[in-house]
Amino acid sequence: QSALTQPASVSGSPGQSITISCTGTSSDVGRYNYVSWYQQHPGKAPKLMIYEVTNRPSGVSDRFSGSKSGNTASLTISGLQAEDEADYYCNSFTTSNTWVFGGGTKLTVL
Amino acid sequence: EVQLVESGGGLVQPGGSLRLSCAASGFTLSSYWMHWVRQPPGKGLVWVSRINMYGSDLSYADSVKGRFTISRDNAKNMVYLQMNNVRDDDTAVYYCVRSAVWRFDYWGQGALVTVSS
Repeated sequence: QSALTQPASVSGSPGQSITISCTGTSSDVGRYNYVSWYQQHPGKAPKLMIYEVTNRPSGVSDRFSGSKSGNTASLTISGLQAEDEADYYCNSFTTSNTWVFGGGTKLTVL
Repeated sequence: EVQLVESGGGLVQPGGSLRLSCAASGFTLSSYWMHWVRQPPGKGLVWVSRINMYGSDLSYADSVKGRFTISRDNAKNMVYLQMNNVRDDDTAVYYCVRSAVWRFDYWGQGALVTVSS
C-alpha cells in the first residue's frame, strides 16, 4: 500500500495553468478509473474536486479538470486564482480492496 | 445538509485504546459506504478503513489491521472506529468520510488523537 507519487510542490502565476501529476501502478491508478482529487486549505477538511478521473462535482469550477494515461493521473487547474492556493491530494481504489492517497502537492499562487 | 461530526478524540498512552464516533445527519446513512481517513500533524492524508452499507464487508490499511475495528449502527446514524494497542504513529486528525462508492464526497471536521506517554 505505497502512497501514490505526487510532486511536493508546484507554483504558477494568476491566470496561468498548472498540472499536478499522480503516479501509481497497474494495481491502482492504471487498473481502475476510480481516481479522485481533493483540495485542502490549512486547518480545513479536504474537499472533493474531481472524481472517476474526469468528473467534476456540482459546484466545482470548470477551471479544474482531470485526466489519466496509463499509471499516471493528472489534475489541471486553468486560470489560476489566489483562492486555488492549497494542498492537493489524489486518491485511487486498489486491487487489494483498499484506497490509497498521494503524498500531496502544495500549490503556490505567485 | 449533510453533516458528519466526529467525537472521542484525545490523549491516549501507547498501548491504550480509544473509540472514535461519527454522528451522521442530513442523509440516509444506510445507503452509503463510510470510511475513516487520518492525517498526521503536518503530513498527508492516509486512508484507514472502510465499511459497506450493512457492516458486512470491512477493509483496513495494513498499518492498522488487527488493531482497529470499524463498525456502524444505521439505526443510530453512527459510525465508529475502535482503536486498540495504539502506537505513536497513530497520532493524527481522524476524519469520518462518506463515500458515494468510488469518491469521498463529504468529510467531517476531524478529531485529533494524540498518542503519548
